[in-house]
Amino acid sequence: EAQVTQNPRYLITVTGKKLTVTCSQNMNHEYMSWYRQDPGLGLRQIYYSMNVEVTDKGDVPEGYKVSRKEKRNFPLILESPSPNQTSLYFCASSSGGSYNSPLHFGNGTRLTVT
Amino acid sequence: ILNVEQSPQSLHVQEGDSTNFTCSFPSSNFYALHWYRWETAKSPEALFVMTLNGDEKKKGRISATLNTKEGYSYLYIKGSQPEDSATYLCAFGSWGKLQFGAGTQVVVTP
Repeated sequence: EAQVTQNPRYLITVTGKKLTVTCSQNMNHEYMSWYRQDPGLGLRQIYYSMNVEVTDKGDVPEGYKVSRKEKRNFPLILESPSPNQTSLYFCASSSGGSYNSPLHFGNGTRLTVT
Repeated sequence: ILNVEQSPQSLHVQEGDSTNFTCSFPSSNFYALHWYRWETAKSPEALFVMTLNGDEKKKGRISATLNTKEGYSYLYIKGSQPEDSATYLCAFGSWGKLQFGAGTQVVVTP
């Protein structure tokens, strides 16, 4: 089954404790992206990757890192999480770039930083 | 930062009625306009991706139009059903970046 898999689904952590949210897709998509969703603000793009070893900042990249060493994986790293990073996070992928192909979303990761 | 606006924020529709709502986006550096349907506790699902001015797309009772010159897109739901209740998101694509609007929440009451 074609899918985007995010783990974990729920995560509660403390300020400053490094964490990684994994994202993997099995559709051989070139494009992958991370979003955060906050009430009233919609989905905001954190980072995106057009292909392996190619990553770029979205609209809200501060406090996040990503890597794209393999085509299927695009982990989101929070080196020192803070409470303002409490949010619902989505990973998504598409073929041919975001501008002409629909995004396939993972199931989301709800992160709480205390 | 680009600005994608959706209106209204929410609307209530009687079952059987038709409705429409708007997505406004910058008219410059346009690559694509996406529409997604997002049900509570689920992930957004793609409805349409439109790339050309004048594009019209249809999927069942849902359709969308695109005007890139003036920077807007309409989503139409014909004969609304309770299962159409969801938040509808539009997103403006411009070279890798995809900026989402805050969504229009549609509630269809029997």
